[in-house]
Amino acid sequence: DTGVSQDPRHKITKRGQNVTFRCDPISEHNRLYWYRQTLGQGPEFLTYFQNEAQLEKSRLLSDRFSAERPKGSFSTLEIQRTEQGDSAMYLCASSRTGGVNTEAFFGQGTRLTVV
Amino acid sequence: SQKIEQNSEALNIQEGKTATLTCNYTNYSPAYLQWYRQDPGRGPVFLLLIRENEKEKRKERLKVTFDTTLKQSLFHITASQPADSATYLCALDISGGYNKLIFGAGTRLAVHP
Repeated sequence: DTGVSQDPRHKITKRGQNVTFRCDPISEHNRLYWYRQTLGQGPEFLTYFQNEAQLEKSRLLSDRFSAERPKGSFSTLEIQRTEQGDSAMYLCASSRTGGVNTEAFFGQGTRLTVV
Repeated sequence: SQKIEQNSEALNIQEGKTATLTCNYTNYSPAYLQWYRQDPGRGPVFLLLIRENEKEKRKERLKVTFDTTLKQSLFHITASQPADSATYLCALDISGGYNKLIFGAGTRLAVHP
């Protein structure tokens, strides 16, 4: 297993377009997280899945954002009608269940630039 | 308001010295605190986790302390090497261990030969 995989690594889009990112977590990990990171800041929590259930969404996740994890494996994050303020690195992380305080493994991220 | 503060300025040290990074927080009561390393253009990499009832945790050249009274964690790298140069992120787990993490902005460490 090569860790958490995110695709694409980079995306440039025009304002108003829709974009979709994909995350493939480590195979035995039930928990999957999306974070967003802007330059000079730490990652900000967006949403969290346990298996296919989306258990929590941040207020940062406006109506234009939607995340899914249809079969409890890979996840997608879609941004509709992109705005320049959506430009950021979108990070996916996964962790296993079976107890608390298990470490989170992050992917390399998808860098979104909205022009 | 809730805040996590890390040294905003880069920390420059000489190879072989001990680097000490600070993480202060207000208005949180995390049960767990984690430290991550992040290199430019890459995702964070987990380093250490410490529980609220642990004062200190060590892993090879790394040491973390956690003072819930002071609301502070210190992260030490002993015998630092140029390869340790990176941004180090402090993260509070506010979900009781389920990895809903609140990150600080990070401290950039530069270790000079």
